[in-house]
Amino acid sequence: DAGVIQSPRHEVTEMGQEVTLRCKPISGHDYLFWYRQTMMRGLELLIYFNNNVPIDDSGMPEDRFSAKMPNASFSTLKIQPSEPRDSAVYFCASSLSPIYEQYFGPGTRLTVT
Amino acid sequence: SQQGEEDPQALSIQEGENATMNCSYKTSINNLQWYRQNSGRGLVHLILIRSNEREKHSGRLRVTLDTSKKSSSLLITASRAADTASYFCAPGGSQGNLIFGKGTKLSVKP
Repeated sequence: DAGVIQSPRHEVTEMGQEVTLRCKPISGHDYLFWYRQTMMRGLELLIYFNNNVPIDDSGMPEDRFSAKMPNASFSTLKIQPSEPRDSAVYFCASSLSPIYEQYFGPGTRLTVT
Repeated sequence: SQQGEEDPQALSIQEGENATMNCSYKTSINNLQWYRQNSGRGLVHLILIRSNEREKHSGRLRVTLDTSKKSSSLLITASRAADTASYFCAPGGSQGNLIFGKGTKLSVKP
């Protein structure tokens, strides 16, 4: 398996623009997680899915953030409108269980100017 | 869900020395995991120790778990420059997801 795939790897956008981050989990993994990492706040869980259904979205910072998982092999994290404080590295991870080994993607480095 | 807290926040050693990092947590667990993150990369799973285990080895890694003290340690023996990374612990409870702490930043100087 190729591992967790994320795209794009880097995204630079202007404040107010819509940003869409994409993730393809490892085949067979029922759980998918979206994280955000910054120097100040560390690694934060934003939302996670089980069998394509959102289970816990309490980490989503505000209504500007939304995540979907239309099928078992694809998920998106959308920010609309983006703000400079959204600048961070966004990671997607997948696993067979929420309390066992998670496999992380390479991340998307988002810069909002 | 619960978060592990790593200590120290930063550690700098010479190549060949051993590195020890500690993790504390607050509630009961099913397992505890350690992850490594190289600069600019995603986290990589290193080792998982179950709540009924006290020690586990994997190559140069040795993990201990003391559930009575709610603590764990990660020992890297004979460190190499390539071990330079941030290390995170993640307690796994009976339900809920993993919560990662701020990590220990390890620097191994050649």
